[in-house]
Formats: sequence, structure tokens, C-alpha cells
Amino acid sequence: DGGITQSPKYLFRKEGQNVTLSCEQNLNHDAMYWYRQDPGQGLRLIYYSQIVNDFQKGDIAEGYSVSREKKESFPLTVTSAQKNPTAFYLCASTGTDHTGELFFGEGSRLTVL
Amino acid sequence: GQNIDQPTEMTATEGAIVQINCTYQTSGFNGLFWYQQHAGEAPTFLSYNVLDGLEEKGRFSSFLSRSKGYSYLLLKELQMKDSASYLCAVLDSNYQLIWGAGTKLIIKP
Repeated sequence: DGGITQSPKYLFRKEGQNVTLSCEQNLNHDAMYWYRQDPGQGLRLIYYSQIVNDFQKGDIAEGYSVSREKKESFPLTVTSAQKNPTAFYLCASTGTDHTGELFFGEGSRLTVL
Repeated sequence: GQNIDQPTEMTATEGAIVQINCTYQTSGFNGLFWYQQHAGEAPTFLSYNVLDGLEEKGRFSSFLSRSKGYSYLLLKELQMKDSASYLCAVLDSNYQLIWGAGTKLIIKP
């Protein structure tokens, strides 16, 4: 079945460590997104990519990095520069018809110890 | 700036009807979405409105008034499984989604 797969679902990190969250989709979607969600807040856009080898910063890109070497894959690295990384991270994708309906992965919950 | 407002929390009774409102001020408008999100899970798509009026889909309906910058999600015959957060999002002129903070709906027996 087509869908988006995020891994890991839960991740613990020590301060000062970089971690990479995986996101893979087999929906043949061009656009992919990374969001961060904190309690009581809406989804905030970290990075997005509309085509392979191209990506754009969202509203809260500082302390994060991404790559888009393949259409199917859009990994997110949370670097040690991100001062408050504990959050729920959601990857999503959409087609190019601009109706905007997003298909989400199950999410990755990152906790910094 | 761009802004979407929804109530933080609402409570309703099983079997009843509830209306969740959303008002928005955005740079352009290319549609409004409602998503449902259960705790600890990803959002799932409920509805998309781009023209004024009411869209009905089973127990859920969504209404849009572009002139008023207003939408609501109507849930009928509430079930316990409807306890979730409901997220309103607007597609702006750059086809980027602007998200509200979500409304946590609590259903009581």
C-alpha cells in the first residue's frame, strides 16, 4: 500500500548530539514537508521540498538540516544547534495538484535527555 | 501577519452536535482544510472547502464564508471516538498551509 513511513517512532538524544529522522514515501509525490508540533500549538513548518535536489526553509529552520537526493526520501537532521528539540515531528507529502491535502507519516517523538 | 484562530478546547456530550469555528486572516486564499488528530498520532484529512457553502460528508460537515474569513466544522451524532484535536488550515497565495493551533474536543458519555 502507498504511504509515508517515518522512523524511528520514538527517539532519545543526549544534549549535543545530532539525530536524523527518516521519511520515505511511495506515493510518487513531488512535495515533501517537515513539521514540528509542540503541545497546544499548531504545526510549524521546518523545511519543505518541491522537487529533488531542492528545498526551502520554513518558519523554524534554525538548528535543522535536510536533504532531498531522491524523490522518495526527505530525511531531517536535528543538530546540536537546535536549543529545544524535544517535540513531535511530522513528515508529510502532497501531489502537485495544489489542492494541498497532506498525507502524513505516523510521526517521530524526539526527547532530549 | 497571517493568523488562524480556533477555540482551544470544547466539551460535548455523546450523541449531540458540536460546531468548531475557525477564523482566518491570510495572504490570499486557495482553500481551507480540516484535519482530525488523535493524541500522539498524525493528522488525518477531513475536508477541503474552496467555495462558499456547506460540504457534507457523513456525520461531518464543513462550512466556508470567504468574505467573512470564517469556517466551521460540524460534527453530528457524536461518538466517543470523536474525542480528538481538530486542526483548521488555510492554503495561502503561495500554496503554503497556515495552521491553527487546533481545538481539543472532549466527548463525555
